[in-house]
Amino acid sequence: EVQLLESGGGLVQPGESLRLSCAASGFIFGSDAMSWVRQAPGKGLEWVSSLSGSGTATYYADSVKGRFTVSRDNSKNTLYLQMNSLRAEDTAIYYCAKSSGVRDEFDYWGQGTLVTVSA
Amino acid sequence: SYVLTQPPSVSVAPGKTAKITCGGNNIGSNNVNWYQQRPGQAPLLVIYFDTDRPSGIPERFSGSNSGNTATLTISRVEAGDEADYYCQVWDSSSDHWVFGGGTKLTVL
Repeated sequence: EVQLLESGGGLVQPGESLRLSCAASGFIFGSDAMSWVRQAPGKGLEWVSSLSGSGTATYYADSVKGRFTVSRDNSKNTLYLQMNSLRAEDTAIYYCAKSSGVRDEFDYWGQGTLVTVSA
Repeated sequence: SYVLTQPPSVSVAPGKTAKITCGGNNIGSNNVNWYQQRPGQAPLLVIYFDTDRPSGIPERFSGSNSGNTATLTISRVEAGDEADYYCQVWDSSSDHWVFGGGTKLTVL
């Protein structure tokens, strides 16, 4: 059974940093692309970043490029999202999702972790 | 950047057919995915590659895509289908994923 479990969310002040993790199990982690998608309170889904299975190809939404860094440790079956210079508008539930390739549908999603950026 | 436009809401009576549209410039040339999100839950893939259903998704869910509009059709709607639905495409010109704004399906 595929499982994706996000962690690392919390309350931070504007300008601070946070690192999210997504622990994966039930599939060959290094073979699949992974993505982060966020959802602000009461709003729709917003794609944040995607990463190829090897970790060599990365993609970012314009709203986070230069502030967020996606990475993965295939030996630990874990995906990361390093978020720097956080802003109030980054407040959202952050979901990780898997896909066969970066351009393929997101076939499994985690339950999400809440990030709140507020003074 | 590529924009996907969905109606904010669609209402349908139980047992009837619901159609949720997703508009985009020449969207017919893209592969469209659809996700269902019930309140308080993570999104769930219901249609991928325009028309394909993942295992476990009822045959009542179907998709089509042509020209400037993709459509998610839910036949014989049930109360449990009440949820937000999002379309998604990969924009190859920017190498970005794009989601539609979402449609809230209300079962009357």
